[in-house]
Amino acid sequence: KAGVTQTPRYLIKTRGQQVTLSCSPISGHRSVSWYQQTPGQGLQFLFEYFSETQRNKGNFPGRFSGRQFSNSRSEMNVSTLELGDSALYLCASSLASVGRDTQYFGPGTRLTVL
Amino acid sequence: KNEVEQSPQNLTAQEGEFITINCSYSVGISALHWLQQHPGGGIVSLFMLSSGKKKHGRLIATINIQEKHSSLHITASHPRDSAVYICAVQDSGNTPLVFGKGTRLSVIA
Repeated sequence: KAGVTQTPRYLIKTRGQQVTLSCSPISGHRSVSWYQQTPGQGLQFLFEYFSETQRNKGNFPGRFSGRQFSNSRSEMNVSTLELGDSALYLCASSLASVGRDTQYFGPGTRLTVL
Repeated sequence: KNEVEQSPQNLTAQEGEFITINCSYSVGISALHWLQQHPGGGIVSLFMLSSGKKKHGRLIATINIQEKHSSLHITASHPRDSAVYICAVQDSGNTPLVFGKGTRLSVIA
């Protein structure tokens, strides 16, 4: 079974631009969660989608948004990029909602904002 | 909001040593996760537990609900165990994960 895939793997943007990251979960998984990882803050939860509905959202500004499609693929969008948005963005999928099932992580997208 | 503390922050061990990584949290939880992150960023979920003890190969995870504490043990450590180990907790079934800062383990041959 193919694992969680994320595209692109690396991205360089400039301040003020916007970016869209994509996550394809393991086939059959309905839950997709997004996380931001930085050296200073560590791993932080962004949002979780389950069957196209956002179940939870972390403490991030409205510039961070996401969605999930009917095939469970998910995208996250960051608008008006700031230098502090430079991070590794990870998505994870699971059969059931977070906390009820093992999460499988993708390789991440490393975003650099110049 | 739950606070998650891990200790130690960094750990260097000789190959073959028994290793313990600790995780404490402040509020009652529904689940605790142990994750492993290798250089390059890939994260693997090692355990999800809400009580007792789980074992997988050389890895053992325990949790004490009353003391709000969990430990991850590695027996007969090997250089390939070198990674960052992250503890994460969930307050209830529908709340997001809260992560510890991680423990960086280096196992020297």
